[in-house]
Amino acid sequence: GENVEQHPSTLSVQEGDSAVIKCTYSDSASNYFPWYKQELGKRPQLIIDIRSNVGEKKDQRIAVTLNKTAKHFSLHITETQPEDSAVYFCGGSNRDDKIIFGKGTRLHILP
Amino acid sequence: NAGVTQTPKFQVLKTGQSMTLQCAQDMNHEYMSWYRQDPGMGLRLIHYSVGAGITDQGEVPNGYNVSRSTTEDFPLRLLSAAPSQTSVYFCASSYGRTAAGEKLFFGSGTQLSVL
Repeated sequence: GENVEQHPSTLSVQEGDSAVIKCTYSDSASNYFPWYKQELGKRPQLIIDIRSNVGEKKDQRIAVTLNKTAKHFSLHITETQPEDSAVYFCGGSNRDDKIIFGKGTRLHILP
Repeated sequence: NAGVTQTPKFQVLKTGQSMTLQCAQDMNHEYMSWYRQDPGMGLRLIHYSVGAGITDQGEVPNGYNVSRSTTEDFPLRLLSAAPSQTSVYFCASSYGRTAAGEKLFFGSGTQLSVL
């Protein structure tokens, strides 16, 4: 089955700097890769996703890149703001309709 | 439109007790799933369902049962609670197949403690 590894587990960046979170997956049949953000005490919410037929997708300050050959994908947040502080989860979904998540990255935005 | 509703929000059980975590959605979503969230372990898939009458196992199904008799409801049953099942449980649903890129909508979670 699918296995998703996520790094780093904790990331601290100065406000205004960029943050990058990286994930790898094991199942070459996986074709959908979402990113969820979970603020403290809240439910996870989708912030961006990418399909396997696309190499990059951007939404304002957030972008995701996918390298199918290497089986890794990354989340990029530019011009970080205090409200970006949260836990971020990457996920992979294959034809079995299971979304398997990584262990999460706790992002701290430092003033 | 309430979205995904989970009850209860908090629950304390003694080892060996049984209980059912309730999950209901009013968005006519075909896909429903249960995750548990533990510190440092992320979100782990317990069971999922692609439609009424169809269920399948996720990553950590042992100790949990599910059924899907209606499109709206997807209860999670703990038959004999163990301390290892202390966790925050999230129910999630989506309109269609997650493999097709359908977004998951999460409930607000149930915090379960097993003593």
